[in-house]
Amino acid sequence: GAGVSQSPSNKVTEKGKDVELRCDPISGHTALYWYRQSLGQGLEFLIYFQGNSAPDKSGLPSDRFSAERTGGSVSTLTIQRTQQEDSAVYLCASSLNPLPSMNTEAFFGQGTRLTVV
Amino acid sequence: DQQVKQNSPSLSVQEGRISILNCDYTNSMFDYFLWYKKYPAEGPTFLISISSIKDKNEDGRFTVFLNKSAKHLSLHIVPSQPGDSAVYFCAASADSGAGSYQLTFGKGTKLSVIP
Repeated sequence: GAGVSQSPSNKVTEKGKDVELRCDPISGHTALYWYRQSLGQGLEFLIYFQGNSAPDKSGLPSDRFSAERTGGSVSTLTIQRTQQEDSAVYLCASSLNPLPSMNTEAFFGQGTRLTVV
Repeated sequence: DQQVKQNSPSLSVQEGRISILNCDYTNSMFDYFLWYKKYPAEGPTFLISISSIKDKNEDGRFTVFLNKSAKHLSLHIVPSQPGDSAVYFCAASADSGAGSYQLTFGKGTKLSVIP
């Protein structure tokens, strides 16, 4: 499809295990974002990739979280030693150009619902 | 500290009437604002945006108003339709100076349009 694709759509994992979440952005989009939405909360910024620049990791909540973007396309968000508070919907988005810019918006995938039990 | 606030968690409006969703922000560095609509089990979809150099932007039934002095923006939907029922997120961004742009989101307002 032409949209942002995320996999898996649902993931249940045991506390302490590592998980990897994948994002395929829209082809040609240079900017890629990871957000998460915990229950009853707004979307929380995690990390931002723009082209070959160093990523903005300022939103990552702890050093258990890391992300990479290979070849300027696919991105993987890794959570090590998962905790119950990591349970959330993890959303990936891509945009053609970096924000802000009129008529440039971020297109979101449908998210990965992570449940840590 | 929430930099983008949507103080109404929910709103119910009769079909055909106007829906007004409000958003307040605290960071004076924000210079670009967006509204996203989200249906259950789907990712947010972009609705409309406005730059801080404007005070109004209109797209069909959707109009966003920005009051910079009050640090307030609102989304008007006229006329409201049942298909508009969704959670609406207000988002803002600022040039962080490092060339990266984050979107800061509010917690959302759930709009229900009653037929």
